[in-house]
Amino acid sequence: GQNIDQPTEMTATEGAIVQINCTYQTSGFNGLFWYQQHAGEAPTFLSYNVLDGLEEKGRFSSFLSRSKGYSYLLLKELQMKDSASYLCAVFDSNYQLIWGAGTKLIIKP
Amino acid sequence: GAVVSQHPSRVICKSGTSVKIECRSLDFQATTMFWYRQFPKQSLMLMATSNEGSKATYEQGVEKDKFLINHASLTLSTLTVTSAHPEDSSFYICSARDGGLDTGELFFGEGSRLTVL
Repeated sequence: GQNIDQPTEMTATEGAIVQINCTYQTSGFNGLFWYQQHAGEAPTFLSYNVLDGLEEKGRFSSFLSRSKGYSYLLLKELQMKDSASYLCAVFDSNYQLIWGAGTKLIIKP
Repeated sequence: GAVVSQHPSRVICKSGTSVKIECRSLDFQATTMFWYRQFPKQSLMLMATSNEGSKATYEQGVEKDKFLINHASLTLSTLTVTSAHPEDSSFYICSARDGGLDTGELFFGEGSRLTVL
């Protein structure tokens, strides 16, 4: 079956760095997304990786290793507003989006 | 970036009534739109894939006669929850893909919170 694993919850301190991991096992691969979702709101797009390597966008970076079925989202200089759920999702061979359960990130002062 | 508008954002209805939720792509044509349901503290669950001009493709376990999806134009898809019951209370979110982009990025509507009394 298709499966995406990410930690359920993580806690970090304001100003610090946190890495959220995602491993996937899907029938084919056509890209991996990271979305941020605040409680009660729709997800917002953070990143899309289809090739191996690190992509940096301001305070957020996303890494992909297709051979390992692994990605991480790196958040630097954490701010309180970064408290949210972070969803990892993968396009399989049919371009169906498979979603992880999300990682709830709690930022403490 | 591309904008997807979803309406209404909140709706409260009585058990047994039907509710329609609209999803519009405002500045791009969306041949495919997706409808998700999300229960509290859970991830998104894909309900169906809506294709313009054809019947929607429903995920296993989703009743197509209860959740009617219409995608009559390239910018509008609607989800109608028929004969709603309290267990249908949830957060419904639509998304669309801009075929003109090569990122495959999905653009989400704001979501509609349905409460069935």
